[in-house]
Amino acid sequence: KQEVTQIPAALSVPEGENLVLNCSFTDSAIYNLQWFRQDPGKGLTSLLLIQSSQREQTSGRLNASLDKSSGRSTLYIAASQPGDSATYLCAAQGGSEKLVFGKGTKLTVNP
Amino acid sequence: DTEVTQTPKHLVMGMTNKKSLKCEQHMGHRAMYWYKQKAKKPPELMFVYSYEKLSINESVPSRFSPECPNSSLLNLHLHALQPEDSALYLCASSQVPWGQGHNEQFFGPGTRLTVL
Repeated sequence: KQEVTQIPAALSVPEGENLVLNCSFTDSAIYNLQWFRQDPGKGLTSLLLIQSSQREQTSGRLNASLDKSSGRSTLYIAASQPGDSATYLCAAQGGSEKLVFGKGTKLTVNP
Repeated sequence: DTEVTQTPKHLVMGMTNKKSLKCEQHMGHRAMYWYKQKAKKPPELMFVYSYEKLSINESVPSRFSPECPNSSLLNLHLHALQPEDSALYLCASSQVPWGQGHNEQFFGPGTRLTVL
């Protein structure tokens, strides 16, 4: 059974700092790994999706990497801004096609 | 149109009420999903519709009744709910139908449901 873990559970950084969010998964037989952002009480916004054959994806200040052999993905946020404050969720999709979510990392960027 | 919409945004209902949640997408996606999310928890899959047919029911109680009238619309009918059913209900859609491998899911803004 796939298990997804996100560390840390919460992170507080000053504005302008570069930061890394971590996601690990136990079963490397995945189709893809998806990173989402969720603001309080809101829906999920898809940030990046990395196919199993890819190593990384980039969108603006965001860069996500995938290492299937080690069961890890990272989300790198460059030059963080207060508007980046949110909960970030990663989800692995494998043979069952169901998204298996981590519990999220709550990010606070302080002005 | 590149988004999933959900109505209403908020819903308060009593345990004897009947209400419905609505989800729409006009991206031509072939699969649609209902998720339930409790506070500070990740979303939990409830139902999957693919080509307007129910593909997955994650052992959801019968007081939740999904319906897919057409390829763009997904409803969740609610009846005799319990206070513990209070949660954020999220709808999602994907271009790739269920059962055909990987599919990127796009989520709506959710309906905040409170059961009194």
